[in-house]
Amino acid sequence: GESVGLHLPTLSVQEGDNSIINCAYSNSASDYFIWYKQESGKGPQFIIDIRSNMDKRQGQRVTVLLNKTVKHLSLQIAATQPGDSAVYFCAENGNKFYFGSGTKLNVKP
Amino acid sequence: DAGITQSPRHKVTETGTPVTLRCHQTENHRYMYWYRQDPGHGLRLIHYSYGVKDTDKGEVSDGYSVSRSKTEDFLLTLESATSSQTSVYFCAISDGVRGVGDGYTFGSGTRLTVV
Repeated sequence: GESVGLHLPTLSVQEGDNSIINCAYSNSASDYFIWYKQESGKGPQFIIDIRSNMDKRQGQRVTVLLNKTVKHLSLQIAATQPGDSAVYFCAENGNKFYFGSGTKLNVKP
Repeated sequence: DAGITQSPRHKVTETGTPVTLRCHQTENHRYMYWYRQDPGHGLRLIHYSYGVKDTDKGEVSDGYSVSRSKTEDFLLTLESATSSQTSVYFCAISDGVRGVGDGYTFGSGTRLTVV
């Protein structure tokens, strides 16, 4: 598989702790947002999405928070596990679909 | 990923040579996309297709062309490869109108190196 050796912001957390990954988006007209996970050697994988008429959405162990006032999106991962180690990036969809460059999550056992 | 395969997985080519990357899907999805991923950038759209023989440019289409003669195959061609086209290329498919969300599936990527 493929991955890119990205010089990304890195978040290191202890296994079992909660992780918070942040994303600032650019287009105030964006009305749909997605978080993706990209493991080493793989393509991006959908985690969770949220529409602009919501400010919070929960999935299994993940929560996305949207603050439209400051154009900020966050992904919270509860009880982080080694399998959560990956690059996480957000995407926004206004009149176009844009991807952020991502944050690398390292989970320490 | 299930339902979408990219080939080749790795390729090294010389500057000035043509290169074709292939994306094959078994999901019968209408929409197919080619992205490139580079350090410091998010995924950037090169070209996309909304049906057989229907394609359009993305934000970084210069130097690339595409073709879609069958629903299942979307080809990306670099007519004359340059070093700036060294990248990891991802294909994606979707069945939605806006091509987003959990209907947006990515392939595993092709690492292309132009020397």
